[in-house]
Amino acid sequence: DGGITQSPKYLFRKEGQNVTLSCEQNLNHDAMYWYRQDPGQGLRLIYYSQIVNDFQKGDIAEGYSVSREKKESFPLTVTSAQKNPTAFYLCASSRAPGHLPNTEAFFGQGTRLTVV
Amino acid sequence: AQTVTQSQPEMSVQEAETVTLSCTYDTSENNYYLFWYKQPPSRQMILVIRQEAYKQQNATENRFSVNFQKAAKSFSLKISDSQLGDTAMYFCAFMGPGANSKLTFGKGITLSVRP
Repeated sequence: DGGITQSPKYLFRKEGQNVTLSCEQNLNHDAMYWYRQDPGQGLRLIYYSQIVNDFQKGDIAEGYSVSREKKESFPLTVTSAQKNPTAFYLCASSRAPGHLPNTEAFFGQGTRLTVV
Repeated sequence: AQTVTQSQPEMSVQEAETVTLSCTYDTSENNYYLFWYKQPPSRQMILVIRQEAYKQQNATENRFSVNFQKAAKSFSLKISDSQLGDTAMYFCAFMGPGANSKLTFGKGITLSVRP
């Protein structure tokens, strides 16, 4: 079955450590996104990528990094520079904008990151 | 930059009744996409309905329909015959037409359906 997979579901990090969240999709989608969800804040965009080897900063990119070496994969690294990393992280993918119809995003099940 | 505003943080509705969730957005684009997503307690995001801005007809999916007012930049979701399973957070989202367009979400609204 086609879908988008995030791992792990729960992740614990010590302060000062970098940690990488995995996101893989087999939907043949060009676009991929990373969002952070905090209570009362909705979904805030961290990074997005419309094509392999290219990505753009979203609204809250500071303290995060990404790579897009393969179409299927878009890992997110939460670095020690991120001051408040405890949150729920969602990865999504979609057809590239301009492809009508069916441009909606499909989401993974999310990763809950906790700093201990 | 595009923005999406959901001004109601919470709503409550009696089972079997109808409820409308509001959303406004700001853009200078003429062609774009609008979406409503549902996030139940499982936190899995589920697409409820989508609307392409070039279509004048309001989208409908079973009990869910939208009132798309392009000139007013308004995109409300109507849920008819509310069911307990509709209890969730609902997010309005916008995507522009360009190659580098991003998917922007509102802050969401928590909907509770009362038995």
